[in-house]
Amino acid sequence: DTGVSQNPRHKITKRGQNVTFRCDPISEHNRLYWYRQTLGQGPEFLTYFQNEAQLEKSRLLSDRFSAERPKGSFSTLEIQRTEQGDSAMYLCASSLASGRQRNTGELFFGEGSRLTVL
Amino acid sequence: AQSVTQPDIHITVSEGASLELRCNYSYGATPYLFWYVQSPGQGLQLLLKYFSGDTLVQGIKGFEAEFKRSQSSFNLRKPSVHWSDAAEYFCAVAALFGNEKLTFGTGTRLTIIP
Repeated sequence: DTGVSQNPRHKITKRGQNVTFRCDPISEHNRLYWYRQTLGQGPEFLTYFQNEAQLEKSRLLSDRFSAERPKGSFSTLEIQRTEQGDSAMYLCASSLASGRQRNTGELFFGEGSRLTVL
Repeated sequence: AQSVTQPDIHITVSEGASLELRCNYSYGATPYLFWYVQSPGQGLQLLLKYFSGDTLVQGIKGFEAEFKRSQSSFNLRKPSVHWSDAAEYFCAVAALFGNEKLTFGTGTRLTIIP
């Protein structure tokens, strides 16, 4: 399977615990995005990387959230001291961007990691 | 800031009937518009996109969308739906230049009845 892979697919945790999600993008893709989707809503942008550099972070990403992409390949999203409001589907997507300004347009999404905070 | 409105939360159509899902966008410059579909247990999949040229865009699975700048709309259509089209459909907008940071609408859930 050469698509975007996310693990774990479902995580149930107690409030106050830390959780980490992993995303493996399509291998040749240089851009990686994290989105969050809550029930009845569309995905909301959290952050994105170009290679290993984190280039933009949404205001939705509080200090308890941290994302890394250490070698420009896989990425992790860690949530510290989880709260019930963090319960959501966390989506990862990747794309191949050229050096030109025009964006390529298409994001390839993984199946998501669903977080339930009790 | 860019935004997308999908006025219909839920639409039910009969199998074989035509379909139109509405999408209105707000963006100050030339928009880059998308329709994605999300089926249960699957990731979002791109149906089609528009950024210039012919305002009628053809996509996968028999879908098409028409960009109307005067109405700030990008409605999705299909002449005859199949039971397998039941899913959640999201319209999204991005800046034409820059990264693929998408702003999504709230989605329209499509139910197909026999």
